[in-house]
Amino acid sequence: DGGITQSPKYLFRKEGQNVTLSCEQNLNHDAMYWYRQDPGQGLRLIYYSQIVNDFQKGDIAEGYSVSREKKESFPLTVTSAQKNPTAFYLCASRVLAGGRNEQFFGPGTRLTVL
Amino acid sequence: QKEVEQNSGPLSVPEGAIASLNCTYSDRGSQSFFWYRQYSGKSPELIMSIYSNGDKEDGRFTAQLNKASQYVSLLIRDSQPSDSATYLCAVKVPQGGSEKLVFGKGTKLTVNP
Repeated sequence: DGGITQSPKYLFRKEGQNVTLSCEQNLNHDAMYWYRQDPGQGLRLIYYSQIVNDFQKGDIAEGYSVSREKKESFPLTVTSAQKNPTAFYLCASRVLAGGRNEQFFGPGTRLTVL
Repeated sequence: QKEVEQNSGPLSVPEGAIASLNCTYSDRGSQSFFWYRQYSGKSPELIMSIYSNGDKEDGRFTAQLNKASQYVSLLIRDSQPSDSATYLCAVKVPQGGSEKLVFGKGTKLTVNP
């Protein structure tokens, strides 16, 4: 089955720890995105990548880091510098060519800081 | 600041009725518009995309776009309890040499049996 997978589904972090959220897609999509969703808020863009080994900051990149070493994978690291990391993290991907603009989401990772 | 505004609701309709969800956006350069459905605790699911002025129908869903008024809406006909969810409006806006999706905060819809 083609799709976007995120792991883990739930993650608990102690203050001061870095954690890495996984996002993998087998849709052969070019671009990948990380969003954060807080209760009652819209999705906010953290980072995005349109090609391997290249990525750009979104609106709230501070305290986060990413890598794009493979087309299929776009992991997000939440560092200790992120002051309020408890949120629902969503990975998305899309095709760039052909005028298709739709982004499709993975199932998400819910991060809680203890 | 590029914004997408939605009524937060909750919007409550009886089963079988038409649910109307509305969205306005601030960037006149926007060309692509999307509606996502998000069940509680789950990730957003794309249900409609629209790029041209007018209506686009897909089953019980109709998206309507009016670029002059900077307004996009989603109509759900014959609403079912399974349609109860939060509906997110998303607008693609140009950003430098690239583009990004800006999301509204969502409208929570409840369909009562």
